Amino acid sequence: NAGVTQTPKFRVLKTGQSMTLLCAQDMNHEYMYWYRQDPGMGLRLIHYSVGEGTTAKGEVPDGYNVSRLKKQNFLLGLESAAPSQTSVYFCASSSTVLASGGRTYEQYFGPGTRLTVT
Amino acid sequence: GENVEQHPSTLSVQEGDSAVIKCTYSDSASNYFPWYKQELGKGPQLIIDIRSNVGEKKDQRIAVTLNKTAKHFSLHITETQPEDSAVYFCAASRAGGGGADGLTFGKGTHLIIQP
Repeated sequence: NAGVTQTPKFRVLKTGQSMTLLCAQDMNHEYMYWYRQDPGMGLRLIHYSVGEGTTAKGEVPDGYNVSRLKKQNFLLGLESAAPSQTSVYFCASSSTVLASGGRTYEQYFGPGTRLTVT
Repeated sequence: GENVEQHPSTLSVQEGDSAVIKCTYSDSASNYFPWYKQELGKGPQLIIDIRSNVGEKKDQRIAVTLNKTAKHFSLHITETQPEDSAVYFCAASRAGGGGADGLTFGKGTHLIIQP
């Protein structure tokens, strides 16, 4: 049981190049998320998915696209990378858990992808 | 949308003392408040969470309190240990029903435990 994995771990792009970040989870979770983390900014939600074939915009979606063709995978694409997209990208997945006090939605995070755009 | 403010940004305490981190949120519809711990080079990991129908929750040395009226919640760590040194994030969500929206995070608190 690997949990949430992300590929690649590091990447350097030139401005205007494109790339896809892959997130995979083996916990059969319905929900998956992409966040970016910048110094002093915390984590900000880019896009998320509540099920296979569905996606929705988060707080900072501009410049990114996503796809969820399989339940276990969530892809984040940058069509034309910009220096402002230099960041650490985290994928997360969750499922509803019935616990005392009601349902919780614990999100499990991957190890992150460090992307630099020059 | 939701806005979560977190204070302080850095907190240094002596080993064995208590640490308190505070957060406020803006959306009265938020009903789920988790706390995450992030160690260097790793993804955040959930340490405790609380729902809006509960005022306090405790798990060994960690406790969280929630004041819905004032829209603030706090993390309390007692008897701090060196391994508690990390960055802590609070978050809020309107998760409920059949779906789960993403989390809105605070900007984080760097907790330093002095030996």
